[in-house]
Amino acid sequence: RKEVEQDPGPFNVPEGATVAFNCTYSNSASQSFFWYRQDCRKEPKLLMSVYSSGNEDGRFTAQLNRASQYISLLIRDSKLSDSATYLCVVNEPNYGGATNKLIFGTGTLLAVQP
Amino acid sequence: DTAVSQTPKYLVTQMGNDKSIKCEQNLGHDTMYWYKQDSKKFLKIMFSYNNKELIINETVPNRFSPKSPDKAHLNLHINSLELGDSAVYFCASSARREGINTEAFFGQGTRLTVV
Repeated sequence: RKEVEQDPGPFNVPEGATVAFNCTYSNSASQSFFWYRQDCRKEPKLLMSVYSSGNEDGRFTAQLNRASQYISLLIRDSKLSDSATYLCVVNEPNYGGATNKLIFGTGTLLAVQP
Repeated sequence: DTAVSQTPKYLVTQMGNDKSIKCEQNLGHDTMYWYKQDSKKFLKIMFSYNNKELIINETVPNRFSPKSPDKAHLNLHINSLELGDSAVYFCASSARREGINTEAFFGQGTRLTVV
């Protein structure tokens, strides 16, 4: 099983649509979770952290279900500028917990159509 | 000011050559990383340094040698370049809070093409 799994897409949605991305992770000891966004030929940028209680930032809502080892990202009222690859990122312990590392999913490509 | 900067942005070189990529962060972070993004866009960690000390080495060929002269810099030297080394290499850094690394901030990437 992959450490972090995402549906690669592409998700083609019209402007104004609501779209949801899901992600599962394999290590139950994982400590923190993030969604990153990567535009074509650019570096990944932090979109938002994901907290157990769920969190919202404008049109974006992130949820974490530790029992199911599942993370989600909901984008409401999609804009053309939301077109990008969305990366699920899990911070998991490494070397017996001596340190930790960020594991990236393969990303989900979103294309918002006019 | 760029928080994490890496040079060069583009690098085209012949097989067998040796090349270096430099990275600097001005965020005051303790931890720095090198990630490789291949043609399938998968981002994979290569190395992690914490306060100049190598913490993670993810079974990368020993042709790849990172060097951290201080905690703000992490360079990557690659010997005897091979065609399969062609990829985008990202440097990143993160803070540590209560012993756990937080979110990472990435440089703009170095697009390496080996011909």
